[in-house]
Order: sequence, then C-alpha cells, then structure tokens
Amino acid sequence: EAQVTQNPRYLITVTGKKLTVTCSQNMNHEYMSWYRQDPGLGLRQIYYSMNVEVTDKGDVPEGYKVSRKEKRNFPLILESPSPNQTSLYFCASTKNVGYTEAFFGQGTRLTVV
Amino acid sequence: KQEVTQIPAALSVPEGENLVLNCSFTDSAIYNLQWFRQDPGKGLTSLLLIQSSQREQTSGRLNASLDKSSGRSTLYIAASQPGDSATYLCAVNNQAGTALIFGKGTTLSVSS
Repeated sequence: EAQVTQNPRYLITVTGKKLTVTCSQNMNHEYMSWYRQDPGLGLRQIYYSMNVEVTDKGDVPEGYKVSRKEKRNFPLILESPSPNQTSLYFCASTKNVGYTEAFFGQGTRLTVV
Repeated sequence: KQEVTQIPAALSVPEGENLVLNCSFTDSAIYNLQWFRQDPGKGLTSLLLIQSSQREQTSGRLNASLDKSSGRSTLYIAASQPGDSATYLCAVNNQAGTALIFGKGTTLSVSS
C-alpha cells in the first residue's frame, strides 16, 4: 500500500531537548516536504526536498532542520524545541515537483512544555 | 503572494442534501488544485486533483470544478452522509511548484 509514515504520532517533550520526527515514503517519490498546522493559521510549509541531498527552506523554517540522505526518508529535527513549536506536523511526498498528487502522513502531535 | 480562501468556514446539513464547498485563490498561475479531507486528529486524505488544464474531476459522489481564470474551485458533494463529516481543505501549488498553499478549510457536519 502506498503510504507516508510518520513517527511518533504523539510526543510531549520539554523545552530544549532535541528531538527527531521521522518520515518515510514507499512510493519512490523524489519530492518530500514538512508542514505544520496551527489553529487559525492553517498549514504552512517548513522545509522541502526535491531529491537526495537537496533541501530548501519553506515559509516557516526557523528552529527546524532536515536531512535527505536517502530517497525514502526525510526526518525533521528540532535541535532545541520551544513552546511555540507546539503544533501538528505533517510530512508529504509527491512524485515530482508541482504537477502530481501529494500524499500526506498521519501527522505528529507535538507538545513542548 | 498566493492566498487561498475557503467559504464557508463551517457548514451543517441534514443527511441526503447536496452541497457545495467553495475555494478561491488570488494567483491564477497554478500547476494544479487538490482537495483534501481531514478527520479530527488524523492526516490529510487526498480526494481529487485537478490539473490546471482540466475543468473538473469526479470521484464517486464528489465532483470538483476549476475555473483558473477566475481563481475559483468548487467541491460538490452529492447525497451527503454522516460519514462525510470532516474538514475539507483545498490547496494550490505556489508558482515554483515547491509548496502547497492551503485554505483554512470548511468544517462539514452532516446529521442523520
């Protein structure tokens, strides 16, 4: 089954404790991205990757890092989480840039206290 | 900068009604428009993708139309059911094709 898998689904952490949210897709897609969803603000892009070793900033990249060492994986790293990063995070993948259907993971609900 | 607006923000209908959800965008230079469904606490499920050269797409009881020149799309749901209750989001690609720009969604409640 074609899918995007995120882990963990739920995470509560403390300010400053580094964490990684993993994302993996099994569709051999070139393009992957991360979004955060906040009430009243909707979904906003954090980072994206057009292929292995190619990443770039989205609209709200501050406080986040990403890496793309393999085509299937695109982890989101919070080096020093802060309470304003409490949000619902989604990973997405598409076959290539722009033209094709986007597939989303089930989301990671992150709370930073 | 592309902006996407969805009206209404919330909608309550009795089971069996046909309904229309609206989506508008400010920049007509889009690659495609995609409608998603989001259930509480869950991920986004893709419903329909309309390429910029297309006028509409259909899947079961769902029909999505696209009028690129006027910057509008509609999602038509026929014979609504309680299981259709969810938030519906529309999204368009930005000019570079590197990001989806989302509306804030329409939350639909269908009562039995």
